[in-house]
Amino acid sequence: SQQGEEDPQALSIQEGENATMNCSYKTSINNLQWYRQNSGRGLVHLILIRSNEREKHSGRLRVTLDTSKKSSSLLITASRAADTASYFCARGRPGKLQFGAGTQVVVTP
Amino acid sequence: GAGVSQSPSNKVTEKGKDVELRCDPISGHTALYWYRQSLGQGLEFLIYFQGNSAPDKSGLPSDRFSAERTGGSVSTLTIQRTQQEDSAVYLCASSLEQGDEKLFFGSGTQLSVL
Repeated sequence: SQQGEEDPQALSIQEGENATMNCSYKTSINNLQWYRQNSGRGLVHLILIRSNEREKHSGRLRVTLDTSKKSSSLLITASRAADTASYFCARGRPGKLQFGAGTQVVVTP
Repeated sequence: GAGVSQSPSNKVTEKGKDVELRCDPISGHTALYWYRQSLGQGLEFLIYFQGNSAPDKSGLPSDRFSAERTGGSVSTLTIQRTQQEDSAVYLCASSLEQGDEKLFFGSGTQLSVL
């Protein structure tokens, strides 16, 4: 089974709005990563948060981690049309990162 | 190179044929990974290499799948006697070393088996 499950499966918002997606996992982690995928091709690493961190920022991205609930969230603030993509969380030991099914985000102008 | 390069970008083949997919990782990256993504799905781990060796082959879906890496650089994923269920995007990624969690992905090979 997938080790990272994203929720919701799909999200449609307008430019300027915030987008929030969640990731749940089942076993303990050392870290959790978020990736973006455009047009069903290569993934781009966005951010990595370690198990001893609770929140991390990168530009318009904010990631939180709650190890007690085994969940993480990715917030995109002031969304743009260019943020339209699928977003995946990934966890697992190095060399065998496991990905969830992703959240498909559509940002309309 | 500047990024992970995969070829071909698209491959259409007939059921029963063999195919070879190539991955050229970022120069200096010692770890290389293969994933498969079916339409609308997440990524399925296939295999990874540390240098030229593959410590974990457990993700390969069947014995029709094999992979090799030579010179600690280019890797080839071979699928023999392709089946329609092999149709997917095959993604390659590399990292500076095994244990470096940040992966850099190529654009993938879209494989269509007719």
